[in-house]
Amino acid sequence: EAGVAQSPRYKIIEKRQSVAFWCNPISGHATLYWYQQILGQGPKLLIQFQNNGVVDDSQLPKDRFSAERLKGVDSTLKIQPAKLEDSAVYLCASSLGRDNEQFFGPGTRLTVL
Amino acid sequence: TQLLEQSPQFLSIQEGENLTVYCNSSSVFSSLQWYRQEPGEGPVLLVTVVTGGEVKKLKRLTFQFGDARKDSSLHITAAQPGDTGLYLCAGSEGPSGNTPLVFGKGTRLSVIA
Repeated sequence: EAGVAQSPRYKIIEKRQSVAFWCNPISGHATLYWYQQILGQGPKLLIQFQNNGVVDDSQLPKDRFSAERLKGVDSTLKIQPAKLEDSAVYLCASSLGRDNEQFFGPGTRLTVL
Repeated sequence: TQLLEQSPQFLSIQEGENLTVYCNSSSVFSSLQWYRQEPGEGPVLLVTVVTGGEVKKLKRLTFQFGDARKDSSLHITAAQPGDTGLYLCAGSEGPSGNTPLVFGKGTRLSVIA
């Protein structure tokens, strides 16, 4: 079974630029999550989708971050404009929804200069 | 807001030693999970505990969920260099199935051969 795919794996941009990340969850997983993991910390949930609807986006900085999951499969996370403090690993995870067992992708490491 | 405190933050031991890491909170969790994360990868689920007092074993790893479901521990017997990584606990307050997880900051374990 293929795992959660993310791209790109690494991205370096300058502050005030825009960036987008892509996630393809495990086939059949209805729930998709985006997390931000700052160096030395655990992942922090940014947004959770159930199919193509948003379940929780309470910690998403909506003035600069946006996410969508068209057709309830792939998802994109965008940052516009980026700030220095956005430097982090952005993790995508998916789950069937049973007992909260989430499967994570390898992440995208973003560096904002 | 849930807060999961993990201790110790860093642990460096010799191969063959035993160790225990802790995950504590003032909140009651319906389920708690332990993940291991290696550099450049996403977290990988090790175990989910859902019943107070529950003990689960995974080869040399023993996981325990506190009776009050507010804390958990991970014990590793005869640690090996392959156990090196970041160990994260994550809890969910809500009913099982698609409830946002809150992660601790993790314990970074280094096992020296």
